[in-house]
Amino acid sequence: SQTIHQWPATLVQPVGSPLSLECTVEGTSNPNLYWYRQAAGRGLQLLFYSVGIGQISSEVPQNLSASRPQDRQFILSSKKLLLSDSGFYLCAWSGGLPRETQYFGPGTRLLVL
Amino acid sequence: AQTVTQSQPEMSVQEAETVTLSCTYDTSESDYYLFWYKQPPSRQMILVIRQEAYKQQNATENRFSVNFQKAAKSFSLKISDSQLGDAAMYFCAYRSAYSGYALNFGKGTSLLVTP
Repeated sequence: SQTIHQWPATLVQPVGSPLSLECTVEGTSNPNLYWYRQAAGRGLQLLFYSVGIGQISSEVPQNLSASRPQDRQFILSSKKLLLSDSGFYLCAWSGGLPRETQYFGPGTRLLVL
Repeated sequence: AQTVTQSQPEMSVQEAETVTLSCTYDTSESDYYLFWYKQPPSRQMILVIRQEAYKQQNATENRFSVNFQKAAKSFSLKISDSQLGDAAMYFCAYRSAYSGYALNFGKGTSLLVTP
């Protein structure tokens, strides 16, 4: 069966510091991968998605970037964190067709101070 | 962009009773997919149920069922025989069959289950 991992689970970082969040998927090949952010008391907003290695699409302009160095690895990064980057970050995977369900990882709580 | 509205910020149900969570959406598309996700205190998003718009039959998963009214653009979730473990935030989500990859989420309904 498929499993999705995220780390770290919790992160506290000062403003201006760099960020790297990692997501890996097991048990499937060539998945679509997604990064979502959930602000307090709100639903999820898609930040990036990837349909293959090195293929990244951004949904909203922001201080963050994403990379997919391997088929089942998805990384969310920032060179300099802002206070507004605080939130809960969820990685998800799905098959390649629009009808495929997205399955989510356990998430990372990021607090920027 | 399609919008998803959950008009009930909070709901409460007694154990073993039935509760219905509401969701409406705005779209001009004829084909799409609808989902209900559950987010317990651990905050991991867990799929509860999904519905394809081209299917007239309402989806059912054990104690969870939906009432899909395509013309009214309504997609409610019914939880029967509620259990304490059902307490969570519930999010309704929409995905286009034609364009984009995003799930468009509502703001969620917090469900409290009382003994």
